[in-house]
Amino acid sequence: QKEVEQNSGPLSVPEGAIASLNCTYSDRGSQSFFWYRQYSGKSPELIMFIYSNGDKEDGRFTAQLNKASQYVSLLIRDSQPSDSATYLCAVKKAPRNRDDKIIFGKGTRLHILP
Amino acid sequence: ETGVTQSPTHLIKTRGQQVTLRCSSQSGHNTVSWYQQALGQGPQFIFQYYREEENGRGNFPPRFSGLQFPNYSSELNVNALELDDSALYLCASSLTNYQETQYFGPGTRLLVL
Repeated sequence: QKEVEQNSGPLSVPEGAIASLNCTYSDRGSQSFFWYRQYSGKSPELIMFIYSNGDKEDGRFTAQLNKASQYVSLLIRDSQPSDSATYLCAVKKAPRNRDDKIIFGKGTRLHILP
Repeated sequence: ETGVTQSPTHLIKTRGQQVTLRCSSQSGHNTVSWYQQALGQGPQFIFQYYREEENGRGNFPPRFSGLQFPNYSSELNVNALELDDSALYLCASSLTNYQETQYFGPGTRLLVL
């Protein structure tokens, strides 16, 4: 079982709709969760991090964490063509402000249809 | 722009050779992490340097080694290159060793023939 699993996609979503990206992780002790966006040919950039169960909103992005189900998701509202990218879920065992390696999933390719 | 630079941008080597990749972190960032990203995969953690000392390592063999210098620059060295080492190599700098907010460089694409 892979440590961080994501559907590789592509996930196609019409412009203006909500894009929902999902990620599961295997280590129940994981405490820090991240979403990165990576445009083709570019390096990853951090979108959000979340530590507590529930929702965390930042503009058009909402991260959702359910530690009991070992599940983290990213919702993108009012999807724009510029949101077309690969979205990487990443997990860290240690809590916030503690040292540990970050483990990335393979990423989900998102394509926003104009 | 993240303020993190890497050189070279592209590199072609043959199996068995050695390679040195370079990274220049944001000023004041005393932590640098190196990742390997194969095509279609997520980045895999190679190791982290904090204040010029190795501070954590992923599942990579000892032929992957690194250095960090006081001027916020760092190196990734790979000896005895193998075909599977072909990948995008990313460095990421952060203010602390917690990696909460790390800034990636543009990467070096290495092809091993």
